[in-house]
Amino acid sequence: KAGVTQTPRYLIKTRGQQVTLSCSPISGHRSVSWYQQTPGQGLQFLFEYFSETQRNKGNFPGRFSGRQFSNSRSEMNVSTLELGDSALYLCASSFSAGYTEAFFGQGTRLTVV
Amino acid sequence: DAKTTQPNSMESNEEEPVHLPCNHSTISGTDYIHWYRQLPSQGPEYVIHGLTSNVNNRMASLAIAEDRKSSTLILHRATLRDAAVYYCILRGSQGNLIFGKGTKLSVKP
Repeated sequence: KAGVTQTPRYLIKTRGQQVTLSCSPISGHRSVSWYQQTPGQGLQFLFEYFSETQRNKGNFPGRFSGRQFSNSRSEMNVSTLELGDSALYLCASSFSAGYTEAFFGQGTRLTVV
Repeated sequence: DAKTTQPNSMESNEEEPVHLPCNHSTISGTDYIHWYRQLPSQGPEYVIHGLTSNVNNRMASLAIAEDRKSSTLILHRATLRDAAVYYCILRGSQGNLIFGKGTKLSVKP
């Protein structure tokens, strides 16, 4: 079956702009989580959605937001981009929330200039 | 969330077993121990998880100490493809995956 699909794979934005990243989970999976990966901070949890509801949220400013649609696809949005937002953004899908195995996408590489 | 401690890096020879340790002294009774790995330029990949007893799958084995304060991921025969960063993570039934720095495993031919 198809894996987790993240689009776009690469993105270059200017400071102050906003960006929307998309994640299509594995068919049948209802939980989607987002992570930010940088060389300095490693993998940091952003938020998790299950059945269109945000279940958990990491310690990121309100400029980072997300949502999940009825088909389980998810988007995350970053407004007023800063240079420090340059990172690899990873999406993971699970059949359900909690302790089940998570499948990660290849990520979206965002560069803010 | 309970924390884990792993060595920053380890080296192994190809086709030899590798034992990757993880300490989690503050683990709670409901925390599952998960292992993920991240190959270069890829997203993390699930390896194995367990609660109390040892677990085996096609990729690896997970040995969990009786007091659950530590665990060891065992790769029975390391290959060059196993070179990656390995993350040991505690996850409660309602929690999300909290990644630490992980152990960077190098495999020498």
